[in-house]
Amino acid sequence: EVQLVESGGDLVKPGGSLTLSCAVSGFTVIYAWMTWVRQIPGKGLEYVGHIRSRPDGGTADYAAPVKGRFAISRDDSKNILYLQMNSLRTDDTAVYFCTKNTVSGLDDWGQGTLVTVSS
Amino acid sequence: EIVLTQSPGTLSLSPGERVTLSCRASQSVSSTKLAWYQQKPGQAPRLLIYGASSRATGIPDRFSGSGSGADFSLTISRLEPEDCAVYYCQQLGSPPWTFGQGTKVEIK
Repeated sequence: EVQLVESGGDLVKPGGSLTLSCAVSGFTVIYAWMTWVRQIPGKGLEYVGHIRSRPDGGTADYAAPVKGRFAISRDDSKNILYLQMNSLRTDDTAVYFCTKNTVSGLDDWGQGTLVTVSS
Repeated sequence: EIVLTQSPGTLSLSPGERVTLSCRASQSVSSTKLAWYQQKPGQAPRLLIYGASSRATGIPDRFSGSGSGADFSLTISRLEPEDCAVYYCQQLGSPPWTFGQGTKVEIK
């Protein structure tokens, strides 16, 4: 059974940093394309970025609002996906979801972790 | 960036009715890279349709997707009370992989 469990959400001051983790089971993260999606409570879904599987190059793409501030990485030995977030802004406040990709959709989602950026 | 515009914003329908949701892209999207999701309050989204018209595992056959180019739609053939949710389309053809703003389906 595929499971994704996010953790690391917290209250952080503007300009601060935070790293989110996504522990996965039921598949090997090194062979999966993975995506982070965020959602301001009560609002719509927003793509944050994705990372390709290692066989497909392992590179990442990001949405414009987070490019240069956020970075997606993996710990292949621990089967964990990360989202490193730097220079956080108040408009980064959201629930962050970790997802596993199929070729043409995000077929497994974690429960989400809340990041609040506020002074 | 491809912008996806969903319409209508909100629908209020009775059980048993047929409902069609629209997703229009600002430029052509590969039909193999268009997905639909359902999100109920307090839950993570769930993949309904991938590749514009293929149902994900476990999705009832009252849900169907169609379309090509820049116009896609999600149809619920007979609305059930548990279909009360927000529905999102997403394109995964051109990074960044954008979402539509969502359509809320309410049950009368």
